[in-house]
Amino acid sequence: DAGVTQSPTHLIKTRGQQVTLRCSPKSGHDTVSWYQQALGQGPQFIFQYYEEEERQRGNFPDRFSGHQFPNYSSELNVNALLLGDSALYLCASSWEGQGFPYGYTFGSGTRLTVV
Amino acid sequence: SQKIEQNSEALNIQEGKTATLTCNYTNYSPAYLQWYRQDPGRGPVFLLLIRENEKEKRKERLKVTFDTTLKQSLFHITASQPADSATYLCARGGRGSTLGRLYFGRGTQLTVWP
Repeated sequence: DAGVTQSPTHLIKTRGQQVTLRCSPKSGHDTVSWYQQALGQGPQFIFQYYEEEERQRGNFPDRFSGHQFPNYSSELNVNALLLGDSALYLCASSWEGQGFPYGYTFGSGTRLTVV
Repeated sequence: SQKIEQNSEALNIQEGKTATLTCNYTNYSPAYLQWYRQDPGRGPVFLLLIRENEKEKRKERLKVTFDTTLKQSLFHITASQPADSATYLCARGGRGSTLGRLYFGRGTQLTVWP
C-alpha cells in the first residue's frame, strides 16, 4: 500500500522563477494538506484541499497557490520565488470518513533550494 | 496565537532509560495534541494522538499525557533504544474553522546512546 508520494524529491530554482510541486495521497485518502518546513523548524501549515477546493489557508502570501484534482492528487505552486522560500515542502493526506481528529500521513517531502 | 513550544532542542539518554519530552502550549487548550517522529530528510510519522478530555494514552513503549492545568503534554519512551534516535515533533490541533490544521513545535532531537 503506497503511502504519500511527492515529486520531485529535490529542486533548485533561481529567484523570481516559478515552481510546481506534486503530491499523490495515500490510497483511500481524500484530503491533502501542504506544509513548509524550514531548517531546524517545525512544519508550518500552508493550506488544505478537500473535494478540489481550498478549505483552510495558513499565513502564506498569494504567491503560494494550489490545486486538487478529481483523483485527489494535489499540486503546490509558488510564484516569484524568494531565497526565503528554500525549505522542505511536505504533503500530508488524510481521510475525512475516518472521523476527526486523526493522525496525518506525510510524504518525504520536496527539498526546494532557491539561489 | 496558537503557539506551541518544545523547550528542549536536544535530549541525550542512555539505552534502556526512559526518555521524557515536554511540549507546552499557550492560550486556550487545544482540542487535541499529536506527536510525530521525524528522521533526517524524511517526513513526520504519526505516533500518538490525545484529546483534551484524555489524561493518558499508550502505544507499546510510548506514552503521552495531557495536563490542561499545566498546559503541557509529556511524551515518554520507555526502554529506549538507539533506533529511537530521531526528532520528535509535538503538534496542537486548531479549533472551529481551523480544526484540521496542525501547529507544530520546533521539535526535540533525541539521541539514545548504547
